[in-house]
Amino acid sequence: AQSVTQLGSHVSVSEGALVLLRCNYSSSVPPYLFWYVQYPNQGLQLLLKYTTGATLVKGINGFEAEFKKSETSFHLTKPSAHMSDAAEYFCAVSDYEGSQGNLIFGKGTKLSVKP
Amino acid sequence: GAVVSQHPSWVICKSGTSVKIECRSLDFQATTMFWYRQFPKQSLMLMATSNEGSKATYEQGVEKDKFLINHASLTLSTLTVTSAHPEDSSFYICSASAPSGQFFGPGTRLTVL
Repeated sequence: AQSVTQLGSHVSVSEGALVLLRCNYSSSVPPYLFWYVQYPNQGLQLLLKYTTGATLVKGINGFEAEFKKSETSFHLTKPSAHMSDAAEYFCAVSDYEGSQGNLIFGKGTKLSVKP
Repeated sequence: GAVVSQHPSWVICKSGTSVKIECRSLDFQATTMFWYRQFPKQSLMLMATSNEGSKATYEQGVEKDKFLINHASLTLSTLTVTSAHPEDSSFYICSASAPSGQFFGPGTRLTVL
């Protein structure tokens, strides 16, 4: 069985500050890991994903995440927050690349960006 | 890019009525589509996996007779909430499977009065 835990349901940062959204996973098989962003009343948009290979994954909008197997973590970071980054962020795990398999989502972290 | 649409984007209905939600892959064919449900301030929960031309696979605890899923073509899957009740009020999101991953629709907000 797989599961995802996102620490902090709400994170608030100032514009220009570092963004760090935490995600820990549990998986009995090598995981595929994803970060999605959801703007109000919209569907999910893929930010980035880890499948195999390089553990530091770069995504859209300046976000990146690092897969750390020893820590079972896949934290999302961005060096400098922008007002447009305010949204809900979901970490997800799958035992497939995600195209055919189930995605197990964390509860989400709402990111607020203060001017 | 792969685009998935949902219709309607929001719907309000009376208790006891049925509501149909459509999920379309606009520029690609999807043999597999997924239906999720999202309660306020909670995560997405997979309801069922819809495969074109065959019966949907429902997750444990999801009533297949209440949430009817039809995937009649490679670009359309429908979710019908039958005899809706206020507790069915939620945000329903579909995703469609493409070789490069899953692509999500914008969601449908259902409010049952």
